[in-house]
Formats: sequence, C-alpha cells, structure tokens
Amino acid sequence: DTAVSQTPKYLVTQMGNDKSIKCEQNLGHDTMYWYKQDSKKFLKIMFSYNNKELIINETVPNRFSPKSPDKAHLNLHINSLELGDSAVYFCASSQGSGGVQPQHFGDGTRLSIL
Amino acid sequence: QKEVEQNSGPLSVPEGAIASLNCTYSDRGSQSFFWYRQYSGKSPELIMSIYSNGDKEDGRFTAQLNKASQYVSLLIRDSQPSDSATYLCAVLGSGGYNKLIFGAGTRLAVHP
Repeated sequence: DTAVSQTPKYLVTQMGNDKSIKCEQNLGHDTMYWYKQDSKKFLKIMFSYNNKELIINETVPNRFSPKSPDKAHLNLHINSLELGDSAVYFCASSQGSGGVQPQHFGDGTRLSIL
Repeated sequence: QKEVEQNSGPLSVPEGAIASLNCTYSDRGSQSFFWYRQYSGKSPELIMSIYSNGDKEDGRFTAQLNKASQYVSLLIRDSQPSDSATYLCAVLGSGGYNKLIFGAGTRLAVHP
C-alpha cells in the first residue's frame, strides 16, 4: 500500500553504464518530481511533471532524461553514469503544481557508481 | 547567499526539553513553508506546514513564521529520543510550479 514507490531501492553500477529508476504513486496526484540528495544531505529538485507535461527542468546534465508515461508514473533514465552521480534519488508527488499542496516522498534509490 | 539557510548542527538537547530549529530564506515572494523530518537512511516526511505569519501548533510541534524577517522556526516541546533526526526547512518558490527549495537541514540529537 506504499503511496510513492521507487525501484530499485539500491543500484550499484560501473561508470559509463546506463540505468533507469522507476517511480509510481497511488495517491491520485497529478504532479511528480525527481530530487537528488547528495552526500551532504542537500535535497535539490531536478524535474517535475504535471499530467505528463514537463514543468520544472533544473540545470541538470542532459544525460538525465525523465519520462512520464502517465500521471501515476515518472521514470528517470541516466546515460553514461559518472562518479558524481552517486547520490540518493527521491521521487515525490503532490496534488496540483502551483499551489501549496505538500509533497510526499518515496523511500529513495541509493545509486553508487564504482 | 543560499536560498534557504539552516544551521547544520548537531543541536543537542536533553529529553523533555524544547528544541528550537531555525531557518531563513531569501525569496521575499514565498508564501508557503514546510518542515520535513528525515531519519537517517529514510525519506523526508512532512511534519508541519505554515502559510501565515504567527504560530501554528500541532501536538508537540509549533511552527513560527515571520515573513517580514524572512524567518521560519520549528519548536519541539517535550523532546524525545525518537525526535532525533535531520529537520529540513522547505520554502515554496514564488515562481510557481510547486518548486520546493530545501535547506541543508539541522541534525537534532535528543539524549536521555
């Protein structure tokens, strides 16, 4: 019954590989987000989709490509992984994109680049 | 200047005391403010939201907002060891699209 679920929970891979992280929410929300939390625990937004439309696209290398097949799913594909990509990636969702609705977070995907 | 600033801590308080966590922000147009709690290795969990100047109480938690001073705080009364976590202040940017800007978090340690 997890509200926002991400897979995989852990991802260990070699530099240069391509990997994907999947996110699904069953809250009926129409807005989803990807955040990156680095080793200093600083949580920073990367992307946001509202009803499958990209609405926030922060300064992120174009090796990162989000895809939202429907409003309940938001995936993140990363090409040519680099050491600096090691972090925890959190998916979140909220109802509405311009208001004050709180965001609910998934458990995170811990990405380690060897 | 960072957009949302917090003292990284650790803030150490004895069990039963009041823990006071502070946050300042730079965007004068921000209208919505949130406090998230994050246990080590876990996801952020929303514990308080505040939109108007003044105090908002929820159980042992009180959020305080002063927009003129661009200052938000969180008070935790009767602190318990289970409150030991990192507390993230988040500010909704005035540019819309529900863009939350997080502070780096304050680590709180409540000791018995």
